Amino acid sequence: DVKVTQSSRYLVKRTGEKVFLECVQDMDHENMFWYRQDPGLGLRLIYFSYDVKMKEKGDIPEGYSVSREKKERFSLILESASTNQTSMYLCASTSGRFYEQYFGPGTRLTVT
Amino acid sequence: RKEVEQDPGPFNVPEGATVAFNCTYSNSASQSFFWYRQDCRKEPKLLMSVYSSGNEDGRFTAQLNRASQYISLLIRDSKLSDSATYLCVVNSDPAGTASKLTFGTGTRLQVTL
Repeated sequence: DVKVTQSSRYLVKRTGEKVFLECVQDMDHENMFWYRQDPGLGLRLIYFSYDVKMKEKGDIPEGYSVSREKKERFSLILESASTNQTSMYLCASTSGRFYEQYFGPGTRLTVT
Repeated sequence: RKEVEQDPGPFNVPEGATVAFNCTYSNSASQSFFWYRQDCRKEPKLLMSVYSSGNEDGRFTAQLNRASQYISLLIRDSKLSDSATYLCVVNSDPAGTASKLTFGTGTRLQVTL
C-alpha cells in the first residue's frame, strides 16, 4: 500500500512566521504535489515536482516555495505566513498513472 | 466560468436508492476524466476513471458526454458507507501531465437509513 505522510495534522502559526510543511512518500514515486483545499474552491495546485530538485508552479504559487532534495520528500515553505494562507494543505504523489494521485492525510494550518 | 463545476449538494438519499451526479467542464480540449471520493476529514482517493464508452465498477457507473461537456456518476443501491463527497477531476493537458488536473469542488452525498 502506498503511504504518504505529512509532518503535522494541525498547525497554528502567527502572521509573518516561516512555515515548513513536510511530505514523505514510501513508494518511490517520481511525481509529488502540494495542494490547498478551501470550502467552495476545491483543491488548487500550488507546486509540483517531477523529479529531485525539479519543481514547477501550479495555479497558485504566490507566497509559497518548495524543496525536493530527496525523491521521497517534498516540502512546502511559507516564507512569511499570512492569514489568507489558513487552509487545509494536501500532499500527493503518483508514478506512471499520473491521475491516480495518492494523498496524505492533510495539514490543517491556521495563521493568526 | 469555472473550469469544472459540480452541484455541491448535499444529496440526501435513503439506503437502496439510486443517485446520480453530474459535472460540467468548460475546456472542450479536456482529455481525461475521473471521479475521486473524499470522506469527511479524510484525503481524496481515486474512485474510477471515466471513459468515452462508459465505465462500470459494481454499483458505480461513470459516463462521459463530450458533446455536452459533462460527466456523470451513477450510484445504484446506495449504502450508508457511500456517504462522502465526490470530486470530479478533469485533465486538460494533451500531453497528459498531472500538472493539468483540475478538481471540482465536490458533491456531497448523505445516505440515510
